[in-house]
Amino acid sequence: DVKVTQSSRYLVKRTGEKVFLECVQDMDHENMFWYRQDPGLGLRLIYFSYDVKMKEKGDIPEGYSVSREKKERFSLILESASTNQTSMYLCASSGPSKSSLAGGEDTQYFGPGTRLTVL
Amino acid sequence: GQNIDQPTEMTATEGAIVQINCTYQTSGFNGLFWYQQHAGEAPTFLSYNVLDGLEEKGRFSSFLSRSKGYSYLLLKELQMKDSASYLCAVRSWPFTGGGNKLTFGTGTQLKVEL
Repeated sequence: DVKVTQSSRYLVKRTGEKVFLECVQDMDHENMFWYRQDPGLGLRLIYFSYDVKMKEKGDIPEGYSVSREKKERFSLILESASTNQTSMYLCASSGPSKSSLAGGEDTQYFGPGTRLTVL
Repeated sequence: GQNIDQPTEMTATEGAIVQINCTYQTSGFNGLFWYQQHAGEAPTFLSYNVLDGLEEKGRFSSFLSRSKGYSYLLLKELQMKDSASYLCAVRSWPFTGGGNKLTFGTGTQLKVEL
């Protein structure tokens, strides 16, 4: 089974702090994604990466950066946290895998999420 | 750009059938996914359509009409545990670099009642 883990389930930070959210997948997937999920707005893509050291902006990259130094790990960084970044953050990965799941290598597998509160 | 519409909420009775609709407008359409998300949990993959027609998978089926920009998820023999949010996601390409991008709808919150 695909496993995507995130470093924290719940996190509380103060305005202006630098925040690191870590995501690790164990399926050797090429693609990794960071989303935020807010009521009424659904899942919105922040950044994604299709290879080590590669990154692409998603739909709402402002205020965020990412790092992918190793294939299995994708980090989301809030350089200076603000209250409007209070949200649920979800990491996902996709790529060829041993299981021939319908949808193929574009099926995204999600981590459990990190609920971040910025005070 | 992408535009995906789903009803916000639906209520159905245990044992019944419910259909959750999704309409989309997108360039470079290359497939549609359905995910289930229980409260406080991660979305999990349910089904995928890339060609027109019905894909059946146990109690769940998904239908796609590319010409109409329309899909639905059909849930049969509803159970209480089916109470969840159902997310429609459209895959589009081309995509810079590798892989394909998914754009998610806001989700339909389904409540199953006795």
